[in-house]
Order: sequence, then C-alpha cells, then structure tokens
Amino acid sequence: DAGVIQSPRHEVTEMGQEVTLRCKPISGHNSLFWYRQTMMRGLELLIYFNNNVPIDDSGMPEDRFSAKMPNASFSTLKIQPSEPRDSAVYFCASSYGALNTEAFFGQGTRLTVV
Amino acid sequence: EDKVVQSPLSLVVHEGDTVTLNCSYEVTNFRSLLWYKQEKKAPTFLFMLTSSGIEKKSGRLSSILDKKELSSILNITATQTGDSAIYLCAVGAAGNKLTFGGGTRVLVKP
Repeated sequence: DAGVIQSPRHEVTEMGQEVTLRCKPISGHNSLFWYRQTMMRGLELLIYFNNNVPIDDSGMPEDRFSAKMPNASFSTLKIQPSEPRDSAVYFCASSYGALNTEAFFGQGTRLTVV
Repeated sequence: EDKVVQSPLSLVVHEGDTVTLNCSYEVTNFRSLLWYKQEKKAPTFLFMLTSSGIEKKSGRLSSILDKKELSSILNITATQTGDSAIYLCAVGAAGNKLTFGGGTRVLVKP
C-alpha cells in the first residue's frame, strides 16, 4: 500500500485566495483525520470522519475552513479565503476499526499564505 | 474538551543517557494512548497502550500506561543521536477521535 497520500506537498498562495488540500487515505481505513501543525500550537485536530461522515469538527478554526469526504478514498480541506495565519503544515491521517488503532499519517502539505 | 499535556516541552541529553517523557490526559470515554515519533516529516507510530495492554517495549523504548493517574511515560534508554525528534502522545476516545499533545522535543548530542 502506498500509504496516506496528500497533495500538494507545498502550496504558496496569496492572502484571500482559495486553497484546497487533498487526501487519499489507506484503502480499507474507515476513519480520516485532518490535523494542522504549527510551532506555536503543535498538532491540532481540525476534523475527523468516520465512514465518510464528519463526526467532530469542533477543531475547525472558523467558517473559512471546510472539509468534505465524498467517498471512502478521498477527502478535501478547503480554506476560503486564506489568511497568513493559516500558514502551517496540514496532515491527513487514517485509521481502521471501531476501536482506536494507530493512525497513519500522510507526508503533509506545507501551506504558506503571503 | 479533551486535553492531552506532555512534559517537558524539550530536553537536551548526551548519547547514552536515559530520557523519560510524560503524557497526561483528560478525555471522555478513553480508549487508547499512542506514542508517535516525528522527525522531519510525518509522525510515525511507536506504541499503543490500552486497558488490556498497559506496558509495551521495543528495543530501547518502553512505555507504561497508568489509568489511575491518567498518564503515561515513554522511556528511551542508551539514547543515540538518531533518537532526536519530537515525541507525540495521542489519546484515542470513543468514536475513533484521536487528540494529540503538544509534543516533547528531544535533542541527543554526541
């Protein structure tokens, strides 16, 4: 298995632009997580899905952030409009099972908003 | 709100030293505690501890879960420069929710 695949690996955009981050989880995994990592705040859970259904989005910073999971093999995290404070590394992770098992992480998307 | 706190924030040791990292948590419907190592890129999985497996060991790394104290420790013995990384603790709760602590940055000097 190729693991969790995220794209793009790097994104530089101007303030106010829309940004879409993509994630392909490991086949067969039924939970998907979006995390944001910064030096100041560490690894923050933004939202997670279970069987394609958003379960907890309380970590989403504000309405500018939205996430979708239209099917078991694809998810997007969208920021519109983007702001410089959104600059961070965004990780997608997936796991399997009704009980917690280890989550496998993608390589992350480094987002820079200028 | 689920909370996971790690200490210390960072530490510097020399090769051969032993380090002990701490993780404490407050979560609703605890299911598991996981340790990850993060070097340059994505976190990689080390251990998972649950009510049925409160102690794990792999080589120089070992971890114990104390459900009474709502905490866990990660020990690294005979440290090597390759152990330099951020060590992350995560707690799994009902519904597969996984919440991470802020991490402990470990630097092992030659």
